Amino acid sequence: AAGVIQSPRHLIKEKRETATLKCYPIPRHDTVYWYQQGPGQDPQFLISFYEKMQSDKGSIPDRFSAQQFSDYHSELNMSSLELGDSALYFCASSFRLAGTDTQYFGPGTRLTVL
Amino acid sequence: AQSVTQLDSQVPVFEEAPVELRCNYSSSVSVYLFWYVQYPNQGLQLLLKYLSGSTLVKGINGFEAEFNKSQTSFHLRKPSVHISDTAEYFCAVSEGDAGNMLTFGGGTRLMVKP
Repeated sequence: AAGVIQSPRHLIKEKRETATLKCYPIPRHDTVYWYQQGPGQDPQFLISFYEKMQSDKGSIPDRFSAQQFSDYHSELNMSSLELGDSALYFCASSFRLAGTDTQYFGPGTRLTVL
Repeated sequence: AQSVTQLDSQVPVFEEAPVELRCNYSSSVSVYLFWYVQYPNQGLQLLLKYLSGSTLVKGINGFEAEFNKSQTSFHLRKPSVHISDTAEYFCAVSEGDAGNMLTFGGGTRLMVKP
């Protein structure tokens, strides 16, 4: 079965640079979520989109922005990177229209800020 | 706002022994409950979920969990563990509407010893 695809899998950036993370949800899924998992921590919700509109917002820094495109893929844009942004970034998708709340996660993008 | 507490940060157990990973939650509304497993350097894989109905939920890899509303718990159990079960286990909750964010517990590292 198709899964959530994230790219790139690994990314190394310098402080103050920008990064773009991409997420391709499971086909037919209409909702995308972004989570950040710091070293040794649990995942923290950043932001979600339903049918290309922002649905919910968590602890996402103002330096970060995200959007969902017409083909339902999503991108997380991160600017003025800081050392503390080094983390594993997960994308998840779900089929909200089906009335369930099961989120399926991608493999994650490991961002390292030097 | 909901919160999740995983009482044990680490659980060492011998192979073929039974195991229980504890999870308690708090929420002012009805919730959906999930257990995810994370193997080293990998994404989050859904083990099982409780949405409604029977309080005993069976998942993949021989795991099961029981929803106890009065004790606000959703403990994960397996009657006989294998070395391959060594991983980080996360309990998560979302408020009872589809499309809501997941709030994770701090995780429990299950260490299965030969």
